[in-house]
Amino acid sequence: QVQLVESGGALVRPGGSLRLSCAASGFTFSDYYMSWIRQAPGKGLEWVSYISESGSSRHYADSVKGRFTISRDNAKNSLYLQMDSLRADDTAVYYCARDLAAAGIFDYWGQGTLVTVSS
Amino acid sequence: SYDLTQPPSVSVSPGQTASITCSGVKLGDKYASWYQQKPGQSPVLVIYQDKKRPSGIPERFSGSTSGNTATLTISGTQAMDEADYYCQAWDSSTVVVFGGGTKLTVL
Repeated sequence: QVQLVESGGALVRPGGSLRLSCAASGFTFSDYYMSWIRQAPGKGLEWVSYISESGSSRHYADSVKGRFTISRDNAKNSLYLQMDSLRADDTAVYYCARDLAAAGIFDYWGQGTLVTVSS
Repeated sequence: SYDLTQPPSVSVSPGQTASITCSGVKLGDKYASWYQQKPGQSPVLVIYQDKKRPSGIPERFSGSTSGNTATLTISGTQAMDEADYYCQAWDSSTVVVFGGGTKLTVL
């Protein structure tokens, strides 16, 4: 069965960096676009970034552009999100999600990992 | 930026039909998806490409679009359907946008 397991969430100070990971299993990881989506405490869903199957195409929400970098290692069935220059408003649960058809259809989600940015 | 507008809350009696709307400029030109999120859980895809249901999603969940509005309809609503529901759209220029979410209360 499809499984997505995020890790790497932590408490970090403003201006700091963090790297999130998402381990995928139960499907051919290299066949799918993948995304990171976040949810601030008590708030709605916000798409963060996506990456194509090969990693050649990447796109970011305006709110994180220039600060976050998405990447993947298909040999390790893993997705990553490098987060730099973190701000308080980046505090959220970060989910990785599989895109069903490279069309913004998120058919499987991980359990999420909490990132807290606070001094 | 592109916005999708949902009502903050919708209430329905058990067994009745609940309708949750999602509006956006030229939404009819894009595909809409819907996600259900229960407290403390990850979102679950319930409708994609406006009206398709993933396997395992009950038939009481359906989707439709008309003009600039997408609608999620839950027929014969059950207590277990109480959750937050998010619409979402995608196209090559919009990329991915979520609506603000609707809290469905089954009274």
